Amino acid sequence: GAVVSQHPSRVICKSGTSVKIECRSLDFQATTMFWYRQFPKQSLMLMATSNEGSKATYEQGVEKDKFLINHASLTLSTLTVTSAHPEDSSFYICSARERRARQYNEQFFGPGTRLTVL
Amino acid sequence: DQQVKQNSPSLSVQEGRISILNCDYTNSMFDYFLWYKKYPAEGPTFLISISSIKDKNEDGRFTVFLNKSAKHLSLHIVPSQPGDSAVYFCAARDGGATNKLIFGTGTLLAVQP
Repeated sequence: GAVVSQHPSRVICKSGTSVKIECRSLDFQATTMFWYRQFPKQSLMLMATSNEGSKATYEQGVEKDKFLINHASLTLSTLTVTSAHPEDSSFYICSARERRARQYNEQFFGPGTRLTVL
Repeated sequence: DQQVKQNSPSLSVQEGRISILNCDYTNSMFDYFLWYKKYPAEGPTFLISISSIKDKNEDGRFTVFLNKSAKHLSLHIVPSQPGDSAVYFCAARDGGATNKLIFGTGTLLAVQP
């Protein structure tokens, strides 16, 4: 099946710093990528949807100036958590949808990034 | 407001028996439902799905049942195998304006040898 990678898998940073997370589709072209956040014992919450070459669409309650998303190519999307604070500590996971996807099951997830803000 | 609920955080089943994972939803606009399986340190992988126009979909050992009137779906795994031990998420597609996936909180299935 299609492979989506994320880097880094874990990151620990100091409060006030910015952290960039990369999401790559390794063997297919992803016109759409999704960014989710998961708090312990909670569900995956969609943060934003990004389409290659256009601005991301953010879900209600997600600050677009804090969570910067860039989808510059068909294989790469980045999420930058700016001025991170301890409450941003979470598990961030991306998924990618192939250009020719017709079904919603054709959405492939990355392994996630554990962010810890001290 | 949790629109997709998995009320059992964990489930333990003996190998060879049936595993039944349940999921409830509140939004009648959901038109497509999916189950994902997730191993530790890996992303969720698609398992099986069902359209709201059907009440059952089967794929090998996995069967998903949908009861629209009760807004309930379930995933049956039979026979259960130790390799099935993972977290299972149900997800629903909002067929309304947003067309996005809403996930449940997951159920950790442990299949005992």
